[in-house]
Amino acid sequence: RKEVEQDPGPFNVPEGATVAFNCTYSNSASQSFFWYRQDCRKEPKLLMSVYSSGNEDGRFTAQLNRASQYISLLIRDSKLSDSATYLCVASGSNFGNEKLTFGTGTRLTIIP
Amino acid sequence: NAGVTQTPKFQVLKTGQSMTLQCAQDMNHNSMYWYRQDPGMGLRLIYYSASEGTTDKGEVPNGYNVSRLNKREFSLRLESAAPSQTSVYFCASSERDRNTEAFFGQGTRLTVV
Repeated sequence: RKEVEQDPGPFNVPEGATVAFNCTYSNSASQSFFWYRQDCRKEPKLLMSVYSSGNEDGRFTAQLNRASQYISLLIRDSKLSDSATYLCVASGSNFGNEKLTFGTGTRLTIIP
Repeated sequence: NAGVTQTPKFQVLKTGQSMTLQCAQDMNHNSMYWYRQDPGMGLRLIYYSASEGTTDKGEVPNGYNVSRLNKREFSLRLESAAPSQTSVYFCASSERDRNTEAFFGQGTRLTVV
């Protein structure tokens, strides 16, 4: 079982729709969580960090449920420019050294 | 502002050849990482280095060696390339503290024939 699991998709949704991604992690010692965005043939870039209290950045909302060990990302009013692969990341502590573990990514295509 | 710089961007190797992928960051980060990305497999950690002088194996270390030359540079070496090592390789760096962003290089597309 992978440490971080995501539905690979693809998710094809119409412009303006709301889309939600979930991600589960197996290492209960994980301390920090993130969503990264990766465009085709580009490097991943940070979309947002995920906090226990939940956090929102414009049309994007991230939630963390430590008890169930899952992370979610909600995109409202989706735009064509949101088409990308979204990577869930858990940061696990290994003797005090943070190690970033990525999920396989969920591919999203916004349809005009 | 360079951030994380990887070289080369593209490389074709013959089976059995060796090469070193170079990575340098100018953000004074302690932690550096090497990942490989394959279709359907996501980003898999090869090696990481929490600080200068230390390295640790990740999920898929076999066939690779690394060297944390100094705080800025973290190189990845393939001693005897195999077709299974055809992949896109990403170097990344971050601060060691939690909740800090990891910055990635632009990637190296390696093909082993």
